[in-house]
Amino acid sequence: KQEVTQIPAALSVPEGENLVLNCSFTDSAIYNLQWFRQDPGKGLTSLLLIQSSQREQTSGRLNASLDKSSGRSTLYIAASQPGDSATYLCAVWNTGNQFYFGTGTSLTVIP
Amino acid sequence: ETGVTQTPRHLVMGMTNKKSLKCEQHLGHNAMYWYKQSAKKPLELMFVYSLEERVENNSVPSRFSPECPNSSHLFLHLHTLQPEDSALYLCASSQDGGAWGYTFGSGTRLTVV
Repeated sequence: KQEVTQIPAALSVPEGENLVLNCSFTDSAIYNLQWFRQDPGKGLTSLLLIQSSQREQTSGRLNASLDKSSGRSTLYIAASQPGDSATYLCAVWNTGNQFYFGTGTSLTVIP
Repeated sequence: ETGVTQTPRHLVMGMTNKKSLKCEQHLGHNAMYWYKQSAKKPLELMFVYSLEERVENNSVPSRFSPECPNSSHLFLHLHTLQPEDSALYLCASSQDGGAWGYTFGSGTRLTVV
């Protein structure tokens, strides 16, 4: 069974800092990986989707990379802002009927 | 409306009540999902409907009963719940499994008293 781990579980940084969130998965035979953002008590908002044939995806200040062979992905956030404070989740799809989710990294950006 | 819409946003129910959660997607997707999110735990898949047929159950207790009348609507019927069922219930939709990722609704915060 696929297992997804996110480290660290929580992260606090001052505004303006660049930061990296990590995601690792045990079964490298994935089709894609998706990064989400979740605000407290709310649903998940998709940030980036990386197909297995891709190495990275970028959207604004966000850049996600994928190293399928080593079972790792990183989400890079440039010039962090207080509005970036949220929980960030990664999920992988191996085909089949479900994505497998990590437990998330809770990010606090201090003004 | 666009995206995935869930109602109600919040629900408080007693253990003897019967209630239903509703999910509607306006994306033309052909699969819909119910997930449960409890504190400090990964999202738990409850039910999957693909092309309106249930394809996965994951041994969810029978006090949760899904219904998918068409490809745009999904319900979760609740009866005789337990306090440990209190959680955020999330609906998602996708096209062709997970090939193009998931789109989630805003969730229903359920409290069982």
